[in-house]
Amino acid sequence: DIQMTQSPSSLSASVGDRVAITCRASQSISNYLNWYQQKSGRAPKLLIYAASSLQSGVPSRFSGSGSGTDFTLTISSLQPEDFATYYCQQSSSNPRTFGQGTKVEIK
Amino acid sequence: EVQLLESGGGLVQPGGSLRLSCAASGFTFSSYGMTWVRQAPVKGLEWVSSISGSGAGTYYPDSVKGRFTISRDNSKNTLYLQMNSLRAEDTAVYYCVRFGSGSNAPFEYWGQGTLVTVSS
Repeated sequence: DIQMTQSPSSLSASVGDRVAITCRASQSISNYLNWYQQKSGRAPKLLIYAASSLQSGVPSRFSGSGSGTDFTLTISSLQPEDFATYYCQQSSSNPRTFGQGTKVEIK
Repeated sequence: EVQLLESGGGLVQPGGSLRLSCAASGFTFSSYGMTWVRQAPVKGLEWVSSISGSGAGTYYPDSVKGRFTISRDNSKNTLYLQMNSLRAEDTAVYYCVRFGSGSNAPFEYWGQGTLVTVSS
């Protein structure tokens, strides 16, 4: 199974900050890496697919990069509605595995 | 608008069974693979099973293989998850999810989830 490791597990940031979350795969997954946002008590929402493609309707302050084993989700200017938990997930092979999540909290 | 509405969750005793349903609308159901993802209380996300658009292909992780069965009725636009021999560690919110288009697709649309609690 492909293991997905996110860092950090949590972070505190202020509105307007630039935030980066990294995700590392235990083996190469090409660009088959997706990012999801989950707010408290809600279902996850797809933000980025294929490492860098922005899902329709997602604000352009979200961006993704990387290939192979190392990936990054960047929020260019953190907004109040962005405080949530973020998960990476590989879609290279079964079982489809997720990172453990990164909780973004208000500083 | 894509809508996925899960039902069938509840409290069940260890060793018991439960069947979840997911009513889909807003897209051509038979054209998309579907999946179930679960989230234990205050935990992360775990893929539970997937099924192809035709229903011919099904996939499971080792943690549920042999106990859970995913199926679909394309005439009713409904996805199912039959869960047998339930364990305490199966306690979670179960989400019905639609794949995006193409191979290696992400989990594009999510339902609101249904809670399954396994406890005596």
